Amino acid sequence: AQSVTQLGSHVSVSEGALVLLRCNYSSSVPPYLFWYVQYPNQGLQLLLKYTSAATLVKGINGFEAEFKKSETSFHLTKPSAHMSDAAEYFCAVSDQGAQKLVFGQGTRLTINP
Amino acid sequence: DSGVTQTPKHLITATGQRVTLRCSPRSGDLSVYWYQQSLDQGLQFLIQYYNGEERAKGNILERFSAQQFPDLHSELNLSSLELGDSALYFCASSVLPVSGNTIYFGEGSWLTVV
Repeated sequence: AQSVTQLGSHVSVSEGALVLLRCNYSSSVPPYLFWYVQYPNQGLQLLLKYTSAATLVKGINGFEAEFKKSETSFHLTKPSAHMSDAAEYFCAVSDQGAQKLVFGQGTRLTINP
Repeated sequence: DSGVTQTPKHLITATGQRVTLRCSPRSGDLSVYWYQQSLDQGLQFLIQYYNGEERAKGNILERFSAQQFPDLHSELNLSSLELGDSALYFCASSVLPVSGNTIYFGEGSWLTVV
């Protein structure tokens, strides 16, 4: 069964600094991978997804993620953090059998002024 | 706005009671998913429907049930509520239940059991 591990439940960076949120997956078949963001008191919004096309995926709000099969990773990055990026971020893998999403535990991103 | 509509947004009820959460998927989406988000369990998949038929079941308690109606809206019924059922319940939808399809989430229904 597919699973996702997000390294670091809390990440804090300064405004303007690089954002790096880590995600490792476990899958017996080529995975479909997603990053979602949850702002306070809101639902989940899709940032980007990997579906076996380009390994470097660009998403909304300046975020991107790189699929590395050899490392079973799909880390999320943004070159320069903005205060509005403060939120909880979830990595997810699509279960090939049932097509549902299996989520990681989430990483809370704090941006320091 | 994802296009997925959930009602009610907030609900407070007593232990032992029953509640119904309602979801309208995005226009054109045939597949509906229900998820529970709690502090201790994170985001847990509950159940999935496709075009009115149950497609997959996750960690859904026997006290919970769901259905998808001919107009594609869905309801999640929670009965004999316990304090531990307090959580944020998300509905999500996709065009088809195909791996890789984008799944769009509503804003959730906050359930507090007192």
